[in-house]
Amino acid sequence: DGGITQSPKYLFRKEGQNVTLSCEQNLNHDAMYWYRQDPGQGLRLIYYSQIVNDFQKGDIAEGYSVSREKKESFPLTVTSAQKNPTAFYLCASSMTTGVTDTQYFGPGTRLTVL
Amino acid sequence: KQEVTQIPAALSVPEGENLVLNCSFTDSAIYNLQWFRQDPGKGLTSLLLIQSSQREQTSGRLNASLDKSSGRSTLYIAASQPGDSATYLCAVNHIGDTGGFKTIFGAGTRLFVKA
Repeated sequence: DGGITQSPKYLFRKEGQNVTLSCEQNLNHDAMYWYRQDPGQGLRLIYYSQIVNDFQKGDIAEGYSVSREKKESFPLTVTSAQKNPTAFYLCASSMTTGVTDTQYFGPGTRLTVL
Repeated sequence: KQEVTQIPAALSVPEGENLVLNCSFTDSAIYNLQWFRQDPGKGLTSLLLIQSSQREQTSGRLNASLDKSSGRSTLYIAASQPGDSATYLCAVNHIGDTGGFKTIFGAGTRLFVKA
């Protein structure tokens, strides 16, 4: 069953803690993305990766870090430096970062800071 | 700077009604525009992708149009059903300020179809 999985579905974090959100895909896609979604706003790009061992900052990368050691996996770490991390986080992948490639999205992780 | 706006933010209609969702964008230099569906607490599902050279795309009861010169797209849903209740987002793909390809999303229209 091909697709993108994200875990956990819900995550609670205390202030000052780092947390890591998992994203895995078995679509054999080269490109992967992390977005943040806040109520009443469009999705905003945090980081993206065009290929293994490469990643680029998006529009709101401050306070976040990523790695891309395997093609299938693109974990996102929300660090204590992120001032307002409570949000819905969506991972996506596409064949490449080409303009005609459709992005396929995971089910999301809702992060809440207590 | 490219901005994408969706109006209305929320819409409630009775079952069976035909409806139109609107999306506008400020920079007409786009490669394509995509409509997505998002169910509560879930990820996005792609509905239709319109290339900049196309005027419309159809899939079942859905029809999306694109008027690039005026910076507008509409998503037409025929004979709406309660199962159509979801948030509908549009997104444009264009070249960003740093020269790389970027996707800009609207905030979405939340649709509720009453049985």
